Order: sequence, then structure tokens, then C-alpha cells
Amino acid sequence: DGGITQSPKYLFRKEGQNVTLSCEQNLNHDAMYWYRQDPGQGLRLIYYSQIVNDFQKGDIAEGYSVSREKKESFPLTVTSAQKNPTAFYLCASSSPQRNYNEQFFGPGTRLTVL
Amino acid sequence: GQQVMQIPQYQHVQEGEDFTTYCNSSTTLSNIQWYKQRPGGHPVFLIQLVKSGEVKKQKRLTFQFGEAKKNSSLHITATQTTDVGTYFCAGPRSGGSNYKLTFGKGTLLTVNP
Repeated sequence: DGGITQSPKYLFRKEGQNVTLSCEQNLNHDAMYWYRQDPGQGLRLIYYSQIVNDFQKGDIAEGYSVSREKKESFPLTVTSAQKNPTAFYLCASSSPQRNYNEQFFGPGTRLTVL
Repeated sequence: GQQVMQIPQYQHVQEGEDFTTYCNSSTTLSNIQWYKQRPGGHPVFLIQLVKSGEVKKQKRLTFQFGEAKKNSSLHITATQTTDVGTYFCAGPRSGGSNYKLTFGKGTLLTVNP
């Protein structure tokens, strides 16, 4: 059963700590994305990657970092430099074979920084 | 930069009433996509519209792409409680490729049974 997994579903961290959110896909998609969702704000793009070992900053990359060492994995690190990290984080993927005509989303991780 | 705006931000209806959400882009789009996010869930792709003036139906949902390819609408006939959620439109960023999308802020639909 192909899809995207994100873990954990809920994550609590103390202020000042870095935290890494996991995103794994077995859809064989080349492109992967991280979005942040806040109430009433829609989906804002943090980082995206079109191929392995390459990634680009999105609209709100400050305070975040990513890596793309494997096609299946695109972890997001929320650093202590992120001023307001409490949010719902969504990972997505899409395929150039389908002209990126649909983004598939994982279930999301809700991060709360105390 | 490109902006995609959706109205209304919220809509509350009685079950059985119709619902419409509108999406407007600041630039001409090569295509537009619609997603639905149930409360507590993640966005799920509904449909893509490509042609000017295109109309597509999925059961009680009707999607329309404007003639100028700068606006779109989603209309739900006779809403049901299962329609509750946030509906997002999304368009490709400048360049036309769907590789990067700009999402609207969404319309949250609540349905009173």
C-alpha cells in the first residue's frame, strides 16, 4: 500500500531544542515538499526537493533545515532559530511522470513547543 | 509575486443547502487543482482543471475554471455532513509547471445537521 508516512503524529519539545520531523514515501516520487499550516493561513512552503541531494528554500525557510540523501526520505529539522515553531507540518510528494499533477500528502505532525 | 485568493474564508450551512467557494489568481494559470482537508486530516487531491471554461463534476461537486484561466469555483449541491472540511485551490507558480504550487488559504465549510 503506497503512501507517505510522517512520524510522530504529535510532538512536544521545549523551547530552544532542535527537533527533526520524519517523512518517508514509497510512491517512488522524485519531488518532495514540506509545508507549514497555521489556522487560517493555508499551506506555506518551507522547503522542496526535486531530486536526491538537491533541495531549495521555499517561502518560509528561515529556522528550518532539510536533507535529501535518499529518494524515499525528506526529514525536516526545526531549529531553535525558528521564532514560532508550533504548527502543523505536512510533507508531500509528486511525480514528474505525472507532470506533478497531484501532490500526495502525509498525515502530518503537530508540533508544540513549550 | 503570484497570489491565490479564496473566498469566503468560512461558510456555515444547514445540511441540504448549497455551497460555493471561489478562487482567484493574480496571474493566468495553466491549470488549477482543488484539495479537501477533513478536520484533523491532511489535504487530499480532488481534481485538476486545465482548459479555459472547463466544467467537471464529481457527484454533487461541480468545478469550474474561468474563461480567462484566472479564477475557479467549487460548488456543492445539497451539502451533507460528510462535506465538512477545508477546501483549497492551488495553482502552479510562474513558469507553468506544477512542480511548485501556490495554495489559497482555503474555505472552511461546516454543515449543521
